[in-house]
Amino acid sequence: KAGVTQTPRYLIKTRGQQVTLSCSPISGHRSVSWYQQTPGQGLQFLFEYFSETQRNKGNFPGRFSGRQFSNSRSEMNVSTLELGDSALYLCASSPDGGNTIYFGEGSWLTVV
Amino acid sequence: AQTVTQSQPEMSVQEAETVTLSCTYDTSESDYYLFWYKQPPSRQMILVIRQEAYKQQNATENRFSVNFQKAAKSFSLKISDSQLGDAAMYFCAYRYRPGNQFYFGTGTSLTVIP
Repeated sequence: KAGVTQTPRYLIKTRGQQVTLSCSPISGHRSVSWYQQTPGQGLQFLFEYFSETQRNKGNFPGRFSGRQFSNSRSEMNVSTLELGDSALYLCASSPDGGNTIYFGEGSWLTVV
Repeated sequence: AQTVTQSQPEMSVQEAETVTLSCTYDTSESDYYLFWYKQPPSRQMILVIRQEAYKQQNATENRFSVNFQKAAKSFSLKISDSQLGDAAMYFCAYRYRPGNQFYFGTGTSLTVIP
């Protein structure tokens, strides 16, 4: 099976812009979660989607949003980018009822 | 709130030797899941080993094993016969149950010395 695929892998944006990151889960996995990783804050949970519904949400401002499509692919969007949004954004998928999540390679976002 | 603490920011080990990474967590739940993930320089998080809290037997995966002390809320990872490819950041993680979020520790950077 193909693993979790994230696109784009690297991107540079300017403050105030918005960005959309994409994640294709492992085939058959319907749960997709997103994490932000920074040197200062470590790995922080953003949100989780299951069958197109947001099931859990972390403590991030409303500028961070996401969605999931019927094919389980997910996107996350960050609007009005700030310098502090520079991070590695990791997507992970999980099978139904599974207790383990499997990560993609991440999307590196740099805000200048 | 659940917290996961890794008190060793950096560790080093000689190739072929054994090293133990520490992790403690805080929870009021009796059933939950614990994990160790490895993040090599490529940055992709890779599952190393997992433990279900209701299982008393410590999990083992080849050269990787855990020492799960439920009462002490401790979950350490032992790497035997360390290899150069084991060099990475290791994260301890807690999850209450499927569908709930993961809580990660701050990580331990492991260096393997040839």
